[in-house]
Amino acid sequence: GAVVSQHPSRVICKSGTSVKIECRSLDFQATTMFWYRQFPKQSLMLMATSNEGSKATYEQGVEKDKFLINHASLTLSTLTVTSAHPEDSSFYICSASLPYEQYFGPGTRLTVT
Amino acid sequence: EDQVTQSPEALRLQEGESSSLNCSYTVSGLRGLFWYRQDPGKGPEFLFTLYSAGEEKEKERLKATLTKKESFLHITAPKPEDSATYLCAVQAGAGTASKLTFGTGTRLQVTL
Repeated sequence: GAVVSQHPSRVICKSGTSVKIECRSLDFQATTMFWYRQFPKQSLMLMATSNEGSKATYEQGVEKDKFLINHASLTLSTLTVTSAHPEDSSFYICSASLPYEQYFGPGTRLTVT
Repeated sequence: EDQVTQSPEALRLQEGESSSLNCSYTVSGLRGLFWYRQDPGKGPEFLFTLYSAGEEKEKERLKATLTKKESFLHITAPKPEDSATYLCAVQAGAGTASKLTFGTGTRLQVTL
């Protein structure tokens, strides 16, 4: 299957700082990538759809100024959590789309202290 | 609004005890139904995509089936390494890269 990587796998930051998470498709090109958030023992909640070369589409209730998404190339999308607060602590997962299939990265555990 | 409901929420099986997980869905224009396996602290691992009612797919001890209203993931003679959360998701709308809507998952534990 196709491989998607995320970096970092874990990050701890102080309240008020910004954190950038990278998502890469390693062996294929993805015009569309997705960003999800998952709280403990809950399912994946879609945050936004990232399209290469255009603005991201955010789901209802997701602050686009807080969660900045850049899809600069066909293999890289980044999620920046700006002015992070403890309630932003979560497991962030990206996926990259092939026709009829979506492959997920290993996730990034963000802890805001 | 697309909806996905998975049952049971949790399932405990003994090794070798076969069972089925259910995924019921409501969606306008299903393009695909996906099954994933997720281990704790990791991203979902792709298992199957089903596209039309009557379709079946198999992979080792797993078999997925699809009807117009639900999908089943059958686990035959499970082993402890099959313990994980199994997620079902539907894809609707135009385009093959449209978003997935996930169910809440079934946490499977297989004991010796």
